Amino acid sequence: QSVLTQPPSVSAAPGQKVTISCSGSSSNVGADFVSWYQQLPGAAPKLLIYENNKRPSGIPDRFSGSKSGTSATLGITGLQPGDEADYFCGTWDRSLGVVFGGGTKLTVL
Amino acid sequence: EVQAVQSGAEVKKPGESLKISCEGSGYSFSTNWIAWVRRMPGKGLEWVGTIYPSDSDTRYSPSFQGRVTISADKSINTAYLQWSSLKVSDTAMYYCMRHFNYGSGGHFDYWGQGTPVTVSS
Repeated sequence: QSVLTQPPSVSAAPGQKVTISCSGSSSNVGADFVSWYQQLPGAAPKLLIYENNKRPSGIPDRFSGSKSGTSATLGITGLQPGDEADYFCGTWDRSLGVVFGGGTKLTVL
Repeated sequence: EVQAVQSGAEVKKPGESLKISCEGSGYSFSTNWIAWVRRMPGKGLEWVGTIYPSDSDTRYSPSFQGRVTISADKSINTAYLQWSSLKVSDTAMYYCMRHFNYGSGGHFDYWGQGTPVTVSS
């Protein structure tokens, strides 16, 4: 059972927009920055979003992040087949250290 | 170019010991935190622990404290994750990465390719 809660799966058609939620508590999401990671099939995870809404160099602006209270959201616009992956949110928990969500599998229909 | 290169796949028996490695390059290895993350088959990511190679200050997830040991040799820019007695349940992919700004506000920015560990009798 992961500390942060994500939907197990989401899906949308190419070109559409999808959002992935990440819910926590006042001890983690509500108290710290959230980061997001993309893991393509057979590859290592990659940092997608850090400090709630910042994109590392090379990450397209189709990817965005936001946070409100104890929930965070990853948004992906202009979906492409290559976006099919597992997506994880992560943050710092005052008691547990680094915690992650259980992951969300994105399917591009 | 910042890189984290991990050692190769391992197949072990229960009760055996194991030490896997992660070599960093392209940045100041000793003054950056290095973390390990586990992904078990069909499961999510789990933080194992983090080390500061300069002084070997090491922090563990409560879930992994006492079950693994993280170490580093700053002279060769390499971090390690080791087990003294493997269990079948240790079967997983293990990733190392730079842990930017350990603690509040941190994130994992440069990931290794992963080391698959299989423990089976």
